[in-house]
Amino acid sequence: SQQGEEDPQALSIQEGENATMNCSYKTSINNLQWYRQNSGRGLVHLILIRSNEREKHSGRLRVTLDTSKKSSSLLITASRAADTASYFCATDAGHGNKLVFGAGTILRVKS
Amino acid sequence: DAGVIQSPRHEVTEMGQEVTLRCKPISGHNSLFWYRQTMMRGLELLIYFNNNVPIDDSGMPEDRFSAKMPNASFSTLKIQPSEPRDSAVYFCASSNRGSNTEAFFGQGTRLTVV
Repeated sequence: SQQGEEDPQALSIQEGENATMNCSYKTSINNLQWYRQNSGRGLVHLILIRSNEREKHSGRLRVTLDTSKKSSSLLITASRAADTASYFCATDAGHGNKLVFGAGTILRVKS
Repeated sequence: DAGVIQSPRHEVTEMGQEVTLRCKPISGHNSLFWYRQTMMRGLELLIYFNNNVPIDDSGMPEDRFSAKMPNASFSTLKIQPSEPRDSAVYFCASSNRGSNTEAFFGQGTRLTVV
């Protein structure tokens, strides 16, 4: 079974708007990661947040982690058409480097 | 480094045939993962290796599936016999073992079993 579950399943926004995706997970974790997948391609790592961190930034990306609620959010600010992709959260499920992915959010940014 | 290399990129085979998917991880990485992606089930972890040793194969769906890693630079995922429901994109990924490390994915093998 999948460890993480993202919502919404799909999101459509206008270029320039912010996009927020959420992830919930079930077991304790050491870290949580976000990945991006363009259509027909492999996944690409975006950002990793450790279980003792609450917020992390990377460029236009902002990730938060609430371990008490077992949830994380990914915010993409000032979105661009090139941000159109599927976004996945992944956790180690507390088992070192075993990576388990959620169902993903499909983001469409309209220009 | 060229990244994680998978072959073939596309495979079409008839039901009942044996299928072998191949993966070359990034040099120096000591963890390797096999995933299967479908619309219905999303991205499923099939098996992962640390230092060429299978650690967790609980995601392997059936005995028809087997994976090997004979050395640090090569792994195979075999399906024998293949069935139409095995049609999916299969990804290989590698990472440095330990927590707080990212995984690098190959481009995937799109398998179609007819």
